[in-house]
Amino acid sequence: AQSVAQPEDQVNVAEGNPLTVKCTYSVSGNPYLFWYVQYPNRGLQFLLKYITGDNLVKGSYGFEAEFNKSQTSFHLKKPSALVSDSALYFCAVRDSGYSTLTFGKGTMLLVSP
Amino acid sequence: SQTIHQWPATLVQPVGSPLSLECTVEGTSNPNLYWYRQAAGRGLQLLFYSVGIGQISSEVPQNLSASRPQDRQFILSSKKLLLSDSGFYLCAWSDRGFLSYEQYFGPGTRLTVT
Repeated sequence: AQSVAQPEDQVNVAEGNPLTVKCTYSVSGNPYLFWYVQYPNRGLQFLLKYITGDNLVKGSYGFEAEFNKSQTSFHLKKPSALVSDSALYFCAVRDSGYSTLTFGKGTMLLVSP
Repeated sequence: SQTIHQWPATLVQPVGSPLSLECTVEGTSNPNLYWYRQAAGRGLQLLFYSVGIGQISSEVPQNLSASRPQDRQFILSSKKLLLSDSGFYLCAWSDRGFLSYEQYFGPGTRLTVT
């Protein structure tokens, strides 16, 4: 089975400060990990993925994520938050033996001016 | 480049009425296709996925059905809507390439059952 947890319903950060949105996963095989962002009444936009290779993955809009196998985590980070980063963020995982993604429940990121 | 379309964008339907939501993908061939529902709140629930024409896998038993009449067309249907069918319906596609596991989502359809 595959599962993913986003322990925070909401993350609040001031503009210009670094941000972290947490994600942990559980798989029986090798994990394929993804981050998506959703703006109100829109579809999900793909940000970045980890399949193999470097543990630090860089993606769109200045976001990056660090894969940590020992802690089974894939936290999303950005060095300097923008107000326009305020949105709903989803982590997703796919076990190497599965054909579908499992999404976390989402974390609302609010960046204050 | 690839694009994915969904229509209608919004829909208000009475309980017991039929439903047909359409999704089409352009710019790619033989995609995997997916239907998700996002209920009030935020979680995404996978409803159906398809790896080819006429091949549909159902993830959750419900009064919805899906069909794939053409390679890049995916349809979500219901014969009789329930109040609990209200939600935001998202279609997605993914490539079948070895490393291209990410899914790309359409703009969604907001369904309200009254």
